[in-house]
Amino acid sequence: DIQLTQSPSSLSASVGDRVTITCRASQDISNYLAWYQQKPGKVPKLLIYAAFTLQSGVPSRFSGSGSGTDFTLTISSLQPEDVATYYCQKYKSAPQTFGQGTKVEIK
Amino acid sequence: EVQLAESGGDLVQPGGSLRLSCGASGFTFRNYALSWVRQAPGKGLEWVSGIGGGGGNTHYADSVEGRFVISRDNSKNMLYLQMTSLRAEDTAVYYCAKSGNYLGSASFDYWGQGTLVTVSS
Repeated sequence: DIQLTQSPSSLSASVGDRVTITCRASQDISNYLAWYQQKPGKVPKLLIYAAFTLQSGVPSRFSGSGSGTDFTLTISSLQPEDVATYYCQKYKSAPQTFGQGTKVEIK
Repeated sequence: EVQLAESGGDLVQPGGSLRLSCGASGFTFRNYALSWVRQAPGKGLEWVSGIGGGGGNTHYADSVEGRFVISRDNSKNMLYLQMTSLRAEDTAVYYCAKSGNYLGSASFDYWGQGTLVTVSS
């Protein structure tokens, strides 16, 4: 099965900082990668699919890039409401594995 | 408005069984694949099982293969997860999630609020 490895596991940044989270797949998954945001005590929310397509309603400070095995989620200017854990997921075929998550906090 | 509502979570003893349900509304149910995703306390997301729109295409994580069965009733807009031989490590919040297409080869665009399953003696 294909594994997804996110880095870092956690990060702390200041409001307004540019934040980058990476997700590496153990095999080529083309662009079948999604990013989710889960705020504390809340349900996961789809942010990005097809590696870089922003889900409707998601702020434009979020962006995704990559293909094949290496992917990136970028928050261009970190806001207090972005405190959450972020997960990548490969979804073309089962098992639709998630990465282990990256916890983002405000410094 | 798309809505997914899970039910059936409970405290169950190791080795026991439980059936989870997920009621859906706000979209053409039979046209979309659905999945169950779980989250153990303080842990990350784990995909558990998925089913295609027609119900004939099912998949399972290795951790639940042979113990869990996913099914759907398109006439009732309901998704189910029959869980047997439950173990302590199955303790988690179980989410119902809607795929973006019929086959299930898409991201999960809507999630339910989750239902808690606790396996303990």
